[in-house]
Amino acid sequence: AQTVTQSQPEMSVQEAETVTLSCTYDTSESDYYLFWYKQPPSRQMILVIRQEAYKQQNATENRFSVNFQKAAKSFSLKISDSQLGDAAMYFCAYRSSFITQGGSEKLVFGKGTKLTVNP
Amino acid sequence: DGGITQSPKYLFRKEGQNVTLSCEQNLNHDAMYWYRQDPGQGLRLIYYSQIVNDFQKGDIAEGYSVSREKKESFPLTVTSAQKNPTAFYLCASSRTDRRNEKLFFGSGTQLSVL
Repeated sequence: AQTVTQSQPEMSVQEAETVTLSCTYDTSESDYYLFWYKQPPSRQMILVIRQEAYKQQNATENRFSVNFQKAAKSFSLKISDSQLGDAAMYFCAYRSSFITQGGSEKLVFGKGTKLTVNP
Repeated sequence: DGGITQSPKYLFRKEGQNVTLSCEQNLNHDAMYWYRQDPGQGLRLIYYSQIVNDFQKGDIAEGYSVSREKKESFPLTVTSAQKNPTAFYLCASSRTDRRNEKLFFGSGTQLSVL
């Protein structure tokens, strides 16, 4: 079974600076998808960015980018020019790309990192 | 607008009582999911369904039951067998034909025990 580990329960950053959130995962599959979700105090889950494992190029969405290291099974999220509205829980998630018995449809989440943005 | 609707937003359960959480989507998605969120635990999968009249257990299905009689609806029942039901419950849906598509989440139900 796949597992996702976020080793930083909490992180803080100064407004306008850059912060990197770590995520590692364990899988025996060669093709899969990785996601970062944001959960602000409203508790609504919001997709931040996604990465397909077969793509070598790191995904970027405005101020958000990832550092995807497939061999190391690492998928970190970099937030540039941090804003107060970035304060939230951030969850890393894994999804298999193959349909197999026993739950390949599910999204496996890490335990999350709470990001605080200081003014 | 398309989306997922969860109700109620807050729910209280008495000892020995079964309660049902509602989840409805109008996105025409085949797959639907129930996740439980506890502080410091992230999201854990309870049940999921990939097609009407079929569903599979997730990682923490004990004490829960579901049904999928309609494509749009995937209600979750928290039974009296679930001894620690206090948590935030999230329903989600997705397409099954494009696996890089994101999950769409509802706004959640906070369940507490009286």
